Amino acid sequence: GENVEQHPSTLSVQEGDSAVIKCTYSDSASNYFPWYKQELGKGPQLIIDIRSNVGEKKDQRIAVTLNKTAKHFSLHITETQPEDSAVYFCAASTGGADGLTFGKGTHLIIQP
Amino acid sequence: GAGVSQSPSNKVTEKGKDVELRCDPISGHTALYWYRQSLGQGLEFLIYFQGNSAPDKSGLPSDRFSAERTGGSVSTLTIQRTQQEDSAVYLCASSFEAYTQYFGPGTRLTVL
Repeated sequence: GENVEQHPSTLSVQEGDSAVIKCTYSDSASNYFPWYKQELGKGPQLIIDIRSNVGEKKDQRIAVTLNKTAKHFSLHITETQPEDSAVYFCAASTGGADGLTFGKGTHLIIQP
Repeated sequence: GAGVSQSPSNKVTEKGKDVELRCDPISGHTALYWYRQSLGQGLEFLIYFQGNSAPDKSGLPSDRFSAERTGGSVSTLTIQRTQQEDSAVYLCASSFEAYTQYFGPGTRLTVL
């Protein structure tokens, strides 16, 4: 089955700086790669996703890049703000019945 | 519009008791997923429904776990004879096209 590795487990950045979280996956059949943000006591919130026919996608301060050959994808957050502090999860899927396989999460801390 | 809702938000039970967790998906979403989130195992996929049908139940942790969905809408996850290792947050997600999944707030289950 699919295996997703996520790094780093904790990331501390100064407010206004950029943050990058990286994930690798093992199953070349995976074709959908979402990123979720989870705040304490809440369910995961979808923040951006990318499909395998696209190399990069951007939404305001958030961007995701995908390298299918190397089987890795990354989340980039620019101009970080205090409200960006949370745990971020990457995931991979072939869609439908297989569900999402998640990474272990990155605790992002924005230092004022 | 209304998101995915789950009830109860918290459940404390004694070892050996049965519990039933409920998920109300976003209206019109035909795909429904259950996940479990625990400190040791991270986020793990349990089961997928397309309509009322679950084609693969192998992700359920043991035969004490069962799930059903009626009317293509509400789903219940039942855990019989609960054990302490069942303590976790149980998350439900729904999707319109079996890719983009939207999560509910979860049910925190504590087995004493």
